[in-house]
Amino acid sequence: DTGVSQDPRHKITKRGQNVTFRCDPISEHNRLYWYRQTLGQGPEFLTYFQNEAQLEKSRLLSDRFSAERPKGSFSTLEIQRTEQGDSAMYLCASSFDRQVYTGELFFGEGSRLTVL
Amino acid sequence: GQNIDQPTEMTATEGAIVQINCTYQTSGFNGLFWYQQHAGEAPTFLSYNVLDGLEEKGRFSSFLSRSKGYSYLLLKELQMKDSASYLCAVRGTYSGAGSYQLTFGKGTKLSVIP
Repeated sequence: DTGVSQDPRHKITKRGQNVTFRCDPISEHNRLYWYRQTLGQGPEFLTYFQNEAQLEKSRLLSDRFSAERPKGSFSTLEIQRTEQGDSAMYLCASSFDRQVYTGELFFGEGSRLTVL
Repeated sequence: GQNIDQPTEMTATEGAIVQINCTYQTSGFNGLFWYQQHAGEAPTFLSYNVLDGLEEKGRFSSFLSRSKGYSYLLLKELQMKDSASYLCAVRGTYSGAGSYQLTFGKGTKLSVIP
């Protein structure tokens, strides 16, 4: 299977700790997105990369959140000094240029974060 | 800003037809999209509409009226496997800030019963 993969799938941490999630997009996809989803809600946009450039960041992305895509391939999302409100599913998605028009995003299975 | 409304839950019978409505208010508009999400799984893309009218794709069809800020997803010949959440999403602009992000509604949880 060559879909979008995310690691870890589940993370339980204590408040105040740092966590990092990794996303490996579909290999030929140059666009990568991070979304956050809580129970009963739709995904909320966090940030977007085109190749290695971070082109958009949501206001939701506080200074405790940082995302990178150093070589335009995999991406990491780090949350520093986690808070209980950070508990959510963190979804990564990727797409190729021609899919920008159609809005077709390929989502990974997500990384579920629980902050105690 | 953008605001998207869709019913929270719906129930329909296997073999029937169901219509899931979505209304939206956006500061700009460049596309409406439907995604399916089974419980505990990732969303998967179903359809998109940029112009007014009906787009058909097998058992699924999606309709858009830009003047009314309204869309619906029509599912025909319902199957048990169609039980899932259906997410309506809007893209506000096509260039500049916000052009790459989709704003999702809360989703409609559809239960298909025998």
